[in-house]
Amino acid sequence: AQKITQTQPGMFVQEKEAVTLDCTYDTSDQSYGLFWYKQPSSGEMIFLIYQGSYDEQNATEGRYSLNFQKARKSANLVISASQLGDSAMYFCAMNPTGAGGTSYGKLTFGQGTILTVHP
Amino acid sequence: GAVVSQHPSWVICKSGTSVKIECRSLDFQATTMFWYRQFPKQSLMLMATSNEGSKATYEQGVEKDKFLINHASLTLSTLTVTSAHPEDSSFYICSARDRNSGANVLTFGAGSRLTVL
Repeated sequence: AQKITQTQPGMFVQEKEAVTLDCTYDTSDQSYGLFWYKQPSSGEMIFLIYQGSYDEQNATEGRYSLNFQKARKSANLVISASQLGDSAMYFCAMNPTGAGGTSYGKLTFGQGTILTVHP
Repeated sequence: GAVVSQHPSWVICKSGTSVKIECRSLDFQATTMFWYRQFPKQSLMLMATSNEGSKATYEQGVEKDKFLINHASLTLSTLTVTSAHPEDSSFYICSARDRNSGANVLTFGAGSRLTVL
């Protein structure tokens, strides 16, 4: 079984500053994938970034970077230069992956963190 | 990029009626789609895996006779909430992966908000 824990129900950040959203996970799988999604009030799930458990480098996508610490089982999301449009719910998620890192799509989600960006 | 369309985006129905929600991949083929349920301010919970041409796989605690899933083609999966009751009111969202893509990206639909009166 897999478990994702997001301990920050809500976070506040000033516009243009960086913010870190915490995510820890637990799994018995040797190979897995870690995801971050953004969910604005409209409800759609927007993919932000992906990290494979065997990836040696931390994933980056524009202003998003994933601080992956495998030994600590943490996969924190760092958003640099926050914008007002970043205000949303953020979910960390994971799933097991087969040989070669193919995603099977059955995601386990954390509880989410509501991020509010102040002007 | 890959687009998943969900319809309807919101629906209100009377208790006891059935409601069908469609999840359609617009520009790719998906042999597998996933249905999630989300209550307000809560996380997404996987309900079932929809498999093209075969029976859906339901997660523990999800009633398969209550939530009927059909995946008749490589681009369409439907979720039917049968004999809906107020406790079925929720946000239902599907996801799909392009079967021809090696990327580990799952595309979500925009979700369907169901309110049962």
